Amino acid sequence: NAGVMQNPRHLVRRRGQEARLRCSPMKGHSHVYWYRQLPEEGLKFMVYLQKENIIDESGMPKERFSAEFPKEGPSILRIQQVVRGDSAAYFCASSPTAGSTDTQYFGPGTRLTVL
Amino acid sequence: AQSVAQPEDQVNVAEGNPLTVKCTYSVSGNPYLFWYVQYPNRGLQFLLKYITGDNLVKGSYGFEAEFNKSQTSFHLKKPSALVSDSALYFCAVRDLGNEKLTFGTGTRLTIIP
Repeated sequence: NAGVMQNPRHLVRRRGQEARLRCSPMKGHSHVYWYRQLPEEGLKFMVYLQKENIIDESGMPKERFSAEFPKEGPSILRIQQVVRGDSAAYFCASSPTAGSTDTQYFGPGTRLTVL
Repeated sequence: AQSVAQPEDQVNVAEGNPLTVKCTYSVSGNPYLFWYVQYPNRGLQFLLKYITGDNLVKGSYGFEAEFNKSQTSFHLKKPSALVSDSALYFCAVRDLGNEKLTFGTGTRLTIIP
């Protein structure tokens, strides 16, 4: 059973470009979470999605950031018009159900560098 | 609101000695507590969690954690440290009805040969 997959692992963008990060949850998991890790900091929650629905986006910046989890295919975190402050590691996690006791399993992350 | 504190940025332990990585939490209801480990340039690996029941939770790689409600703590422990345990350790908390994990700032554990 493959774990959570993320691609690309490393992404370099120039200021003003778009960054698109992909996450495929573990097989059988329909709940996806995105977190951001700034250098030397812990992970900060961004958004929680189920198939075709955004459940909680309280951690998402109001502008330039969006997320989706379509019926078919991976979850996508999109950052438009990137700025240097967006440079970070972005982690996706998945869980089989929505229970507060469920373990979230994390992918290897996408390290975004904005030049 | 839920929060986690890891009071030590760095912990150094000699190989073979017991180790403890500290974590305290704050939630409005019953806490669900998690420990994850992160190796360089890797994602987070789940170690163990406390949901209910026995206050001593056993997890992967010989790690265990003790839940202490009166002290609102969930310290990670291992009886005998290995050099391969050197990594970044994160404590996280959720409370009932809250889907997002709130993480501490992490503790860098270095095991000295």
